[in-house]
Amino acid sequence: DVKVTQSSRYLVKRTGEKVFLECVQDMDHENMFWYRQDPGLGLRLIYFSYDVKMKEKGDIPEGYSVSREKKERFSLILESASTNQTSMYLCASSLQQGIYGYTFGSGTRLTVV
Amino acid sequence: AQSVAQPEDQVNVAEGNPLTVKCTYSVSGNPYLFWYVQYPNRGLQFLLKYITGDNLVKGSYGFEAEFNKSQTSFHLKKPSALVSDSALYFCAVSAFTTSGTYKYIFGTGTRLKVLA
Repeated sequence: DVKVTQSSRYLVKRTGEKVFLECVQDMDHENMFWYRQDPGLGLRLIYFSYDVKMKEKGDIPEGYSVSREKKERFSLILESASTNQTSMYLCASSLQQGIYGYTFGSGTRLTVV
Repeated sequence: AQSVAQPEDQVNVAEGNPLTVKCTYSVSGNPYLFWYVQYPNRGLQFLLKYITGDNLVKGSYGFEAEFNKSQTSFHLKKPSALVSDSALYFCAVSAFTTSGTYKYIFGTGTRLKVLA
């Protein structure tokens, strides 16, 4: 089974801190994604990557950046954390675009105080 | 605009009864359709998908879904609900875009509560 591992399940950070959320997948998937999940809003795409060193903005990229230096690792960076970035963050990967489903990590619940 | 709708925020069903969680979509071209389940404080898990062929697809944990092209729907069903099915369910569609890539669109989720 493909595994997508997110480094932290729960994280508490202070406003203004730089925050790194790490995601690693072990099945050589081309595509990786970062979503945030908020009640009533569903899943919103922050950034995605179809290849190493490649990134594309999703629907809500403001306040975030990403890094994909290796195929298996996709990092989400909050440059200066704010309270409105308190959320559940989900990383996902897929083999290819189109017909393949996503494999999700267990999520990181981030609280910014 | 391409979209996915899950019209019910919550569905309540008694244990042992059949359940249906509704999903409709609006995309151009032929869509690929998916259902995922999320248990509390966990990521989403893949349940099933429709790509082509038989309109009734079977997936994990006894779930199935029926693709209806004329109604642009992909409802999730199970003949007999279990209390352990209580979770958040997401419908998703993968649609080809004018930029030559696929866009994956999630519904807002439906909370299923199975009552003992």
